[in-house]
Amino acid sequence: QSALTQPASVSGSPGQSITISCTGTSSDVGGYNYVSWYQQHPGKAPKLMISDVSNRPSGVPDRFSGSKSGNTASLTISGLQAEDEADYYCSSYTSSSTPYVFGTGTKVTVL
Amino acid sequence: EVQLVQSGAEVKKPGESLRISCKGSGYSFTSYWISWVRQMPGKGLEWMGRIDPSDSYTNYSPSFQGHVTISADKSITTAYLQWSSLKASDTAMYYCARHSGYPPFDYWGQGTLVTVSS
Repeated sequence: QSALTQPASVSGSPGQSITISCTGTSSDVGGYNYVSWYQQHPGKAPKLMISDVSNRPSGVPDRFSGSKSGNTASLTISGLQAEDEADYYCSSYTSSSTPYVFGTGTKVTVL
Repeated sequence: EVQLVQSGAEVKKPGESLRISCKGSGYSFTSYWISWVRQMPGKGLEWMGRIDPSDSYTNYSPSFQGHVTISADKSITTAYLQWSSLKASDTAMYYCARHSGYPPFDYWGQGTLVTVSS
């Protein structure tokens, strides 16, 4: 099972919107609505930001949103803030022998 | 409050054995799976394997099958990841994470840094 494909880096100025893509196949992203997104600050554990494609857990700011079209999922951060600078990973359930797969990760830089 | 608390950092030599732990609290330990996730220095997240603490059913990523063993003791709400013979390439941060049969991984441990060096 190959990792889901994410851009290595995305940047934006405070207040802008950015979108991170996560591309898989019909055996993972395209086949299930079990796509989730995680934020990881340096030296910290990952934190769940979006579950089931577009659900925001309690406590996650509403500037974070998720969507999916075909084999590609997306995380959008609207109104970018300095504290959003971190690494972001997508994850999906898969029909392969490995039931879960992560994306390659995207470093978000706030300019 | 749901918590997963992992054991502390380890420094080992190649060929040594090791077991690290992940203690769950604040929820029904047998109602959720525990997965282990590796993060090598400067790299991304890799799913290693999972265990259902209710019956200790496990499955592993082919990349890790045969090199690590995942177990759990539900009486003390603790999951384990163990190696019988460490390699330098096992140097990484290891996280445990809670989930139902499907994603997401909603709670994560703080991570255990394993360093393998001669």
